[in-house]
Amino acid sequence: QQQVKQSPQSLIVQKGGISIINCAYENTAFDYFPWYQQFPGKGPALLIAIRPDVSEKKEGRFTISFNKSAKQFSLHIMDSQPGDSATYFCAASKVPARQLTFGSGTQLTVLP
Amino acid sequence: DSGVTQTPKHLITATGQRVTLRCSPRSGDLSVYWYQQSLDQGLQFLIQYYNGEERAKGNILERFSAQQFPDLHSELNLSSLELGDSALYFCASSSGTGANTGELFFGEGSRLTVL
Repeated sequence: QQQVKQSPQSLIVQKGGISIINCAYENTAFDYFPWYQQFPGKGPALLIAIRPDVSEKKEGRFTISFNKSAKQFSLHIMDSQPGDSATYFCAASKVPARQLTFGSGTQLTVLP
Repeated sequence: DSGVTQTPKHLITATGQRVTLRCSPRSGDLSVYWYQQSLDQGLQFLIQYYNGEERAKGNILERFSAQQFPDLHSELNLSSLELGDSALYFCASSSGTGANTGELFFGEGSRLTVL
């Protein structure tokens, strides 16, 4: 049972554009929602995370929007750069368990 | 560099064989997690250990087993290997199971190819 659904599977944007990746979850017990960034040949690395008591969190060019009632959250990358080209995974877990359930990943390509 | 070390980085073996993957967590981290990443299944949680004890199990096959040693390093044992076991195996660590940031730090993975 896939508990976190992620879309789109791939995304191509121009440099300076906005990249948006969406995720939906099923398990209402989840209370921690991180986004991980993975470059080829590397392990996933935490990008930004949110708890359900806030609707938005911003760190630099990266913003998470969270809609608890809809059980959805999204990653917005403003002013996308070629260096942002990577695979992005949303995830969810029940703190303190921390066994992350990952989405299927989005391969982002930012064209120069 | 996440501070999590995995060996070997690459491993090629034949069906029916057994392999052991090793993980050294970040200094001070008590929890170790194993994940399998394949093209068709994405990142799947296999198992978690906390300070030497199994804490949670995910989609781990009976042919697979893991343990965490007193020095906190962990090993994932894969036996009776099948072609479908070919994947990237990631180890991750965190400071513990307390209610803090929840961040997992991933190693660079061990790529297993079963021929």
